[in-house]
Amino acid sequence: EVQLVESGGDLVQSGRSLRLSCAVSGFTFDDYAMHWVRQSPGKGLEWVSGISWSSGGIGYADSVKGRFTISRDNAKNSLYLQMNNLRPDDTAFYYCARRATTVTLRGFYFDFWGQGTLVTVSS
Amino acid sequence: QSVLTQPPSVSAAPGQKATISCSGSSSNIGNNYVSWYQQVPGTAPKLLIYDNNKRPSGIPDRFSGSTSGTSATLGITGLQTGDEADYYCGAWDSSLTAMVFGGGTKLTVL
Repeated sequence: EVQLVESGGDLVQSGRSLRLSCAVSGFTFDDYAMHWVRQSPGKGLEWVSGISWSSGGIGYADSVKGRFTISRDNAKNSLYLQMNNLRPDDTAFYYCARRATTVTLRGFYFDFWGQGTLVTVSS
Repeated sequence: QSVLTQPPSVSAAPGQKATISCSGSSSNIGNNYVSWYQQVPGTAPKLLIYDNNKRPSGIPDRFSGSTSGTSATLGITGLQTGDEADYYCGAWDSSLTAMVFGGGTKLTVL
């Protein structure tokens, strides 16, 4: 059974840092690209960042570029998101999601999601 | 402001059909495949439709997807109260080099 379990969410003050983790099981982790998607309370989904299976390809949303860093440890079946200089508008549930294996970017979708971890940034 | 545009809410009676629209542009829906996600409040999103019209294993054929130009539509037939949820469309945007989502549509089964 595919499982993605996020952790590390917390209440922090604006300007501080936080590191999220996502532990996966039930599939061969280094066969898949992984992503972070966030959802502010009562709002829609927002893609945050993604990383290829080898860490050779990485992307960020403009809203987090320069502040967040995605990484992975294939030996530990884990995905990470280092969040620096946090702002109140970063307050959200953060989900890790597995990108389904597709031949091209045309067919880009997430086939499994974790339950999310809540990050609250106070001003 | 979401890149893809969805109606905030849709409602229909049990047993009837509901359709949810998703409007985009040539850089996303017009040239890339659409996926749809169902999110029951308090839970994680769940994949419903991928590659415009394909269903993952375990998703009933009451759920269907279609596209036309720069728009996509999710159809749900034989509505059940358990279908009440938020529904999101998504697609890769080649100009933004990012995955983009619609703002979500709340489905109410009256």
